[in-house]
Amino acid sequence: EPEVTQTPSHQVTQMGQEVILRCVPISNHLYFYWYRQILGQKVEFLVSFYNNEISEKSEIFDDQFSVERPDGSNFTLKIRSTKLEDSAMYFCASRGGPHSGNTIYFGEGSWLTVV
Amino acid sequence: DQQVKQNSPSLSVQEGRISILNCDYTNSMFDYFLWYKKYPAEGPTFLISISSIKDKNEDGRFTVFLNKSAKHLSLHIVPSQPGDSAVYFCAASAREDMRFGAGTRLTVKP
Repeated sequence: EPEVTQTPSHQVTQMGQEVILRCVPISNHLYFYWYRQILGQKVEFLVSFYNNEISEKSEIFDDQFSVERPDGSNFTLKIRSTKLEDSAMYFCASRGGPHSGNTIYFGEGSWLTVV
Repeated sequence: DQQVKQNSPSLSVQEGRISILNCDYTNSMFDYFLWYKKYPAEGPTFLISISSIKDKNEDGRFTVFLNKSAKHLSLHIVPSQPGDSAVYFCAASAREDMRFGAGTRLTVKP
């Protein structure tokens, strides 16, 4: 069964450092997403990406965050200068085209710890 | 924002009984609703969904009910099994966006 894969599964970084989280969405999916879950809190929407551009973003997704789809398979989330409060599990997700249903499929997550 | 709310942080039921998880939403633009199940340190796994044109969708032991006028949906699990113990997230979707509730931790006791 096709799945969304994420790397790394866990990363520890110093405050102020840049972090790139990588995702390989399900092939032939067209919509891509990043969500995060701070420990003990709910899953929060960060950003959606379609047709090589951001389609929606939340208030969490400030100038420190960026997303990119550098090639036909990867979808990355970059945090330029990490803060302690960026520590969370980051989930990548993808969805098929307009006629393929609205179900979003998630990866296993990348656990980011900022120290 | 609190567009999707799950007011019960936890629920405990006996094996074999019914589990009912509730969810409320505020945005009338939501037109597709989903339930996800999540185990610790894993990504949310899609469970069942319902379009706003329906009021019920059933898949095996899982049934989702949608009451659009009340902006309320619920997930029924019958019969509940110990393996159902997890955190359940309600999600609501409009266009590309999807918003999640805070989750309800379900514990099914043998």
